[in-house]
Amino acid sequence: AQSVTQLGSHVSVSEGALVLLRCNYSSSVPPYLFWYVQYPNQGLQLLLKYTTGATLVKGINGFEAEFKKSETSFHLTKPSAHMSDAAEYFCAVSEDTPLVFGKGTRLSVIA
Amino acid sequence: NAGVTQTPKFRVLKTGQSMTLLCAQDMNHEYMYWYRQDPGMGLRLIHYSVGEGTTAKGEVPDGYNVSRLKKQNFLLGLESAAPSQTSVYFCASSNPTDYTDTQYFGPGTRLTVL
Repeated sequence: AQSVTQLGSHVSVSEGALVLLRCNYSSSVPPYLFWYVQYPNQGLQLLLKYTTGATLVKGINGFEAEFKKSETSFHLTKPSAHMSDAAEYFCAVSEDTPLVFGKGTRLSVIA
Repeated sequence: NAGVTQTPKFRVLKTGQSMTLLCAQDMNHEYMYWYRQDPGMGLRLIHYSVGEGTTAKGEVPDGYNVSRLKKQNFLLGLESAAPSQTSVYFCASSNPTDYTDTQYFGPGTRLTVL
């Protein structure tokens, strides 16, 4: 069965610094991978997803993620953090089945 | 388009009481989902539906029932609420292709069971 591990329940970065949120997955077949973001008191919204094709995926708000099969990873990055990026981020995996979400990483951005 | 809406936004129940949470979507999506979100646990799937009249169990279905009588609505019922069901409940829907499609989430219902 598929699963997702997000390393670090809370990450804090300075404004303008690199954002790196880690996600490792377990899947018995080529997976579909997702990053969702949740702003305070809101539902989740899709940042980006990998299904097939190019392993570097670009999403909204300047975020991108790279699918690395050899490392079973799908880490989320953004070159320069903005205060508005403060939110909770969820990695998710699907084997053409309902999504399985990680436990989330809360990103704080310090001015 | 309103997207995905959830009713109510907040609710407080006493142990043993029942209630129904309503999810409605106006995007003509076939797939609908109910999740619960608890601190440090991420989102866990309760039940889902791949079309009108169909439902299936997710990861944590015990204590909940669902119905999908109309394509645009997905109801989540608690027959006898327990404190362990205190949580934030999210509904989501997605396009009628497969599970790789983007899920669109409602704003959530915060439920407290005393």
